[in-house]
Amino acid sequence: SQQGEEDPQALSIQEGENATMNCSYKTSINNLQWYRQNSGRGLVHLILIRSNEREKHSGRLRVTLDTSKKSSSLLITASRAADTASYFCATGSNFGNEKLTFGTGTRLTIIP
Amino acid sequence: DADVTQTPRNRITKTGKRIMLECSQTKGHDRMYWYRQDPGLGLRLIYYSFDVKDINKGEISDGYSVSRQAQAKFSLSLESAIPNQTALYFCATSDRRAGKETQYFGPGTRLLVL
Repeated sequence: SQQGEEDPQALSIQEGENATMNCSYKTSINNLQWYRQNSGRGLVHLILIRSNEREKHSGRLRVTLDTSKKSSSLLITASRAADTASYFCATGSNFGNEKLTFGTGTRLTIIP
Repeated sequence: DADVTQTPRNRITKTGKRIMLECSQTKGHDRMYWYRQDPGLGLRLIYYSFDVKDINKGEISDGYSVSRQAQAKFSLSLESAIPNQTALYFCATSDRRAGKETQYFGPGTRLLVL
């Protein structure tokens, strides 16, 4: 079963605009990660936020985590055509047993 | 050279055939994983291995088996392929040290079972 559900499933925006994707999950977590996948390729890690953190930044990426609502959001600012990809959240639950459970992904299209 | 490699990259096989997908890594990681990706379902864990002597089933292990031949190599076998095993398969690795939960993915193997 999928732990995370991303929302929306697909998003199209103009280049330069900000893109926001949301992830909801069901069980307690140790960390939540976001990955990017270009069409048909392997996933690339973007950012990790731990359960005791509320916000994290990396370049044009901003991630928030609300453990009370079991949700996270990924904001990409000043989007570029190269940001076109699918974005997945993944949750890790236990220390020493770090399996990740992936969500279903958001397909982001940046229109030049 | 890529840190995580998968062979073959594409494979077409027939129902009932046994096939093996191979994964090699040069990252020196202890932990390795096999996932499958189907459209609209994200990635689902098939098997994972936290070291050479440790093999564990994931959420969808039925119809699959694995072999961890060395720290750097982790193979996935389909004993008798069936059409609903048509999918994109990914190998991934991670470091066992605390605070190193990031996974590193190979480029994937696209499998079609006729």
